[in-house]
Amino acid sequence: DIQMTQSPSSVSASVGDRVTITCRASQGVSNYLAWYQQKPGKAPKLLVYAASSLQSGVPSRFSGSGSGTDFTLTISSLQPEDFATYYCQQANSFPLTFGGGTKVEIK
Amino acid sequence: EVQLVESGGGLVQPGGSLRLSCAASGFTFSNYAMSWVRQTPGMGLEWVSTISGSGGSTYYADSMKGRFTISRDNSKNTLYLQMNSLRAEDTAVYYCAKYQRFMDVWGKGTTVTVSS
Repeated sequence: DIQMTQSPSSVSASVGDRVTITCRASQGVSNYLAWYQQKPGKAPKLLVYAASSLQSGVPSRFSGSGSGTDFTLTISSLQPEDFATYYCQQANSFPLTFGGGTKVEIK
Repeated sequence: EVQLVESGGGLVQPGGSLRLSCAASGFTFSNYAMSWVRQTPGMGLEWVSTISGSGGSTYYADSMKGRFTISRDNSKNTLYLQMNSLRAEDTAVYYCAKYQRFMDVWGKGTTVTVSS
């Protein structure tokens, strides 16, 4: 199975800050990597797919990059509605696996 | 509007069974693979199973293989998850999701609690 490791597990930031979350795969997954945002009590929401493609309707302050084993989700200017938990997921092969999550908290 | 609505969750004793359903609308259901993903209380996301659009191919997480069965009825636009031999560690919110390698549409989830 491909293990997905996210860092940090939590980050405290202020509105307007640039936030970067990393995700590392235990083996190469090409660009088959997605990022999801989840708010408490809600279902996850797809933000980025194929490592760098922004899902329709997602603000352009979100961006994804990387290929192979190392990936990054960047929020260029954190907004109040962005405080949430973020997960990466590899889609290269079954079993599909998720990272442990990164909680973005208010500083 | 694309929508997924799960149902069938509840309280079940260890060793018991439960069948979850996911009603889909707003898209051509048979054209898309579908997945189940679960989230244990306060924890992260865990993929459970995926089924192809025709239903001819299915995939399972190892810990669910042999106990859970994914299926679909394309005439009813409905996805199912039959869960047998349930354990306390199966307690979770179960989400269904439209699958195109990535899960682009999610339902709101249904809660399964396994407890005596």
